[in-house]
Amino acid sequence: KAGVTQTPRYLIKTRGQQVTLSCSPISGHRSVSWYQQTPGQGLQFLFEYFSETQRNKGNFPGRFSGRQFSNSRSEMNVSTLELGDSALYLCASSLGGPTLDYEQYFGPGTRLTVT
Amino acid sequence: GEDVEQSLFLSVREGDSSVINCTYTDSSSTYLYWYKQEPGAGLQLLTYIFSNMDMKQDQRLTVLLNKKDKHLSLRIADTQTGDSAIYFCAEKVPGTYKYIFGTGTRLKVLA
Repeated sequence: KAGVTQTPRYLIKTRGQQVTLSCSPISGHRSVSWYQQTPGQGLQFLFEYFSETQRNKGNFPGRFSGRQFSNSRSEMNVSTLELGDSALYLCASSLGGPTLDYEQYFGPGTRLTVT
Repeated sequence: GEDVEQSLFLSVREGDSSVINCTYTDSSSTYLYWYKQEPGAGLQLLTYIFSNMDMKQDQRLTVLLNKKDKHLSLRIADTQTGDSAIYFCAEKVPGTYKYIFGTGTRLKVLA
C-alpha cells in the first residue's frame, strides 16, 4: 500500500504570493491533517479534514486554509505569504472513522521557503 | 497549557539503552504516541500506548506510562547508529482529531 504523498517536495516563494500544497492520503484513509514544523515552534496543528469537512482547526490566521476532495485528497493554501511561513508542512492521514481511530501516518512534507 | 515537554538532546553509545522522556498535558488523553523523524523526512509512527496501560513492549522499544505524573518514556534497547534521529511524543486531545506534539528529542548514537 502506498504511503502518504505530498507535492511538491520543495517550494520557493516570494513574500506576498500565495501557495497551494497537495496531499494524497493512504488508500482507504478519509482523514487528513496538516501540520507546520519550524525550528522555533516545533510541530503545530493546522487543521483536520474528514469527508470534505473541516473537523478541527488550530490557532493559525485565516491566511491558512484547506480543503478536501471527494477522493480524500487534500490541499492547503497560504495566501499573502510572510517570511515566518517558511517551514516544513506535513500532512498526515488516518482512517478517521467515528470511533476516533488512533494511528496517524505522515507524508515526507513540503519544504516551503519564503524569500 | 498545550506544551508537551521533552528534553532537547540525548547522546548514547552504540549498544547502550536510550531513554527519552516526555511530560504531556492532559491527564484524560487516551492515546499517547512516539514518532521518529530522520533528516529531511516526515514522521514515522513508532509505537503508541493506550491510557489504561502502564507499559507496552514492541521489540527493542518499551513505552512506560505514568498517568499520575503525566509522564511518558520511550526506552530503546541496544541502540544502533540508525536510531539517530529526532523523537517526538504526542498526545491526542480527547474528543478531537487534534494531536499535540512535544518539542522533540534529538538522539545521537556514538559508534
